[in-house]
Amino acid sequence: NAGVTQTPKFRILKIGQSMTLQCAQDMNHNYMYWYRQDPGMGLKLIYYSVGAGITDKGEVPNGYNVSRSTTEDFPLRLELAAPSQTSVYFCASSRDKGSETQYFGPGTRLLVL
Amino acid sequence: GNSVTQMEGPVTLSEEAFLTINCTYTATGYPSLFWYVQYPGEGLQLLLKATKADDKGSNKGFEATYRKETTSFHLEKGSVQVSDSAVYFCALRGLWQGAQKLVFGQGTRLTINP
Repeated sequence: NAGVTQTPKFRILKIGQSMTLQCAQDMNHNYMYWYRQDPGMGLKLIYYSVGAGITDKGEVPNGYNVSRSTTEDFPLRLELAAPSQTSVYFCASSRDKGSETQYFGPGTRLLVL
Repeated sequence: GNSVTQMEGPVTLSEEAFLTINCTYTATGYPSLFWYVQYPGEGLQLLLKATKADDKGSNKGFEATYRKETTSFHLEKGSVQVSDSAVYFCALRGLWQGAQKLVFGQGTRLTINP
């Protein structure tokens, strides 16, 4: 049982480049989330999904897009990367909205230069 | 709105010392409260939780009590070990735009020296 997996672990992007951060979970969870963690700050919610085909914006969605074509996968797309998107990105999942425990992936460290 | 404030880090202690990491919150109603831990190179893991006032969450020797009157959820451990070195996040689960969301504090980095 792998839990929540994320790839890549680390990436350097040039300003204006695009990339997709991958996230997958094998727990059959309906809810999935993307957070970013800036140095010295708490996690901020970027986007979340309550099930396949359904996504919604979180607190800081600008510059990002998501899709949820399957229950397992929840990729995060960065278009036109900017230095302000330098951060650590965490994907998480939970069983349903009543579940109080979120399970986190190991994170992707992104550096935009 | 909902928010969580943690004590500033980093915190450095010697092995077997007593640990307190302060956490206070602002929220409407009575949210559930959590402590998550992030070990080096890993994602966040739930350490303990409390769902109503005066509840005490505990796990791995850590404890935290939900204090409604002081809106606090301080994390404590009587005798820390080197293996407790990690970043600790206080969080609350509250309504945001009609759905339940986790709101995190900024995290407190803890280093335990042998």
